[in-house]
Amino acid sequence: DAKTTQPPSMDCAEGRAANLPCNHSTISGNEYVYWYRQIHSQGPQYIIHGLKNNETNEMASLIITEDRKSSTLILPHATLRDTAVYYCIVRVLGGGADGLTFGKGTHLIIQP
Amino acid sequence: KAGVTQTPRYLIKTRGQQVTLSCSPISGHRSVSWYQQTPGQGLQFLFEYFSETQRNKGNFPGRFSGRQFSNSRSEMNVSTLELGDSALYLCASSPRRQGNSGANVLTFGAGSRLTVL
Repeated sequence: DAKTTQPPSMDCAEGRAANLPCNHSTISGNEYVYWYRQIHSQGPQYIIHGLKNNETNEMASLIITEDRKSSTLILPHATLRDTAVYYCIVRVLGGGADGLTFGKGTHLIIQP
Repeated sequence: KAGVTQTPRYLIKTRGQQVTLSCSPISGHRSVSWYQQTPGQGLQFLFEYFSETQRNKGNFPGRFSGRQFSNSRSEMNVSTLELGDSALYLCASSPRRQGNSGANVLTFGAGSRLTVL
């Protein structure tokens, strides 16, 4: 899996859009970008994944740059319950045989 | 539908003891993976079971083992516990075996928090 780089922490005001960046400059053509988050004392939760087109679901939007070297996860209207550690993972579709590789992620803190 | 259920949620053991953790995957999911999470090492892959067979294994000593039953429920066992085994142990299920093509999203349980004294 390609290496990813995320800021260690970010703040966002409640009700505003939270934009979480991820750098994956060594991504290869068949690797997807996956996002998971982990709320304190819970297991990680899948959010979204994509290859090269922008993706949107009920939780978030994923914007991938044209060269695919970076991406941004957007939570359109952040709430206090979105405070969590967000993990960006690059991986071939279906995954490799060695499990997900979680880095340190970004600790997103939503401020009231 | 019910999510991934892990039991027990919390447990305390002493060094040298052994522990068994249980995971019930989402109905219909045949793959169960186990992860260890510690403050120092983060989330690390332990192993994956599919169709009652261990398919993949992370870089952990042989004291860590597991099994999967015909109903896809899984257990993991840690023998001769060490202080460093204190961690949150997470189970994740998915419909397909890891490494197969197709979107393969993992659904995690809440974890079992093990404290070794």
